[in-house]
Amino acid sequence: QVQLVQSGAEVKKPGASVKVSCKTSGYTFSSYYIHWVRLAPGRGLEWVGLISTTVGSTRYPESFHGRVSITRDTSTTTVHMEVSSLISEDTAVYYCVRAGAWTNFDYWGQGTLVTVSS
Amino acid sequence: DIQMTQSPSSLSASVGDRVTITCRASQNVRNSLNWYQHKPGKVPSLLIYGASTLQPGVPSRFSGSGSGTDFTLTITSLQPDDFATYYCQQGYDTLPLTFGGGTRVDI
Repeated sequence: QVQLVQSGAEVKKPGASVKVSCKTSGYTFSSYYIHWVRLAPGRGLEWVGLISTTVGSTRYPESFHGRVSITRDTSTTTVHMEVSSLISEDTAVYYCVRAGAWTNFDYWGQGTLVTVSS
Repeated sequence: DIQMTQSPSSLSASVGDRVTITCRASQNVRNSLNWYQHKPGKVPSLLIYGASTLQPGVPSRFSGSGSGTDFTLTITSLQPDDFATYYCQQGYDTLPLTFGGGTRVDI
C-alpha cells in the first residue's frame, strides 16, 4: 500500500534551519510529484513547494523568499524539505503529499510538527 | 496568485442536515478544484478532485460541482463523522497552489 512516512517532531530556535524527511513506498516513486504543505495553528493549509521526482526540478512560493529547499533521493525514494532562517510563524505541522494528475493530494504523510521558539 | 475564498467560514448543523459549502476562485481554474476534509489531530484527506469526482472510499453523500470560478461541496445528509473542517484547493496550471481558508462544520 502507498505510504509516506515522515521524520519526527522538531523544536528549533529562531534563525535556525530544520530538515524534514519523507520516506515513500508502495508505488513507483518517479511517477508522481511530491509536494509539501503546512498547517499552522489558527491558519489554514499553505503550499510550501514541490519536486519532480523524475528530474528533481523544484518550485516554491515567492512568500518563502528562498528559505525552502526540497530534494529527493531516488535510491531510497525519500524526499527532504529544509526551511532555513526560521521565524515563529513557521511553527506548523508540515505534511508531504503525493500529487495526482489533478494536482490533487491523494496520499499524505502523518505530519511533522515543527516548533520555532526561543 | 489565485485567491480561493470559501464561505461560510463556519457553520452549525445537525445530523441529517444538508450542508453546502462554496468556494470561489479569483480567476478561472477550469475544473481543477479539489476538496479536503480535516479532523482535529488527524491527517487531512482528499474527498473530491476535478471538481466533481469522488475519491475512492469517500461516501456518496459527498458531492462536488462547479467549474470556472464557482464551486460547491454538498453533504446530503450530515453524519456524526462529518464534523470537521473542509478546504478547497485549486490545482490549475498556475503556481503557487492555493487553498481556501477553510469551513468548520460544528454540531
